[in-house]
Amino acid sequence: EVQLVESGGGLVKPGGSLRLSCAASGFTFSSYSMNWVRQAPGKGLEWVSSISSSSSYIYYADSVKGRFTISRDNAKNSLYLQMNSLRAEDTAVYYCARDFHGGKETYYFDYWGQGTLVTVSS
Amino acid sequence: DIQMTQSPSTLSASVGDRVTITCRASQSISSWLAWYQQKPGKAPKLLIYKASSLESGVPSRFSGSGSGTEFTLTISSLQPDDFATYYCQQYNSYSPGALFGQGTKVEIK
Repeated sequence: EVQLVESGGGLVKPGGSLRLSCAASGFTFSSYSMNWVRQAPGKGLEWVSSISSSSSYIYYADSVKGRFTISRDNAKNSLYLQMNSLRAEDTAVYYCARDFHGGKETYYFDYWGQGTLVTVSS
Repeated sequence: DIQMTQSPSTLSASVGDRVTITCRASQSISSWLAWYQQKPGKAPKLLIYKASSLESGVPSRFSGSGSGTEFTLTISSLQPDDFATYYCQQYNSYSPGALFGQGTKVEIK
């Protein structure tokens, strides 16, 4: 059974940093691209970042470019999101999501974690 | 930049109704479109990919159609479990990443 379990969310002050993790199991993690998608309270879904299976291709939404860094450790079946210079508008539930494939392009997301809440507030 | 527009934003319907949700792209995205269902407090669930392909395990009352710039998600006979918010998502088009529509909430009439 495919499982994605996020952790690392919490309350952080504006300008602060946080590192999210996503532990994957039930599939060959190194074969799939992975993504972070967020959802602000009461709002819609926003794609944040993607990383290909071998970390060769990495993309970010303009809203987080230069502040967030996606990475993965295939040996540990884990996905990460380092979030720096956090702003109030980054407050959201952050989901990790498995891409349909492992290559350069982003496709659709066939498995999602349960999400972890990040709150940026003073 | 490409834009995705869903309509309506909210839809009130009764059990047994046929429901149609529309998603329009500002430029042609071929058939690179997916649909998701999300219930409150839960992660989204993939329903349809490549505009009309039904994800494994999804009930056959869900169907998708369209190509180019106009797409539809149809629920042939609305069931109590289907009251949720639905999102379209374009992918593999023009720029890296993915873009979601703003969502359509299906409410009980």
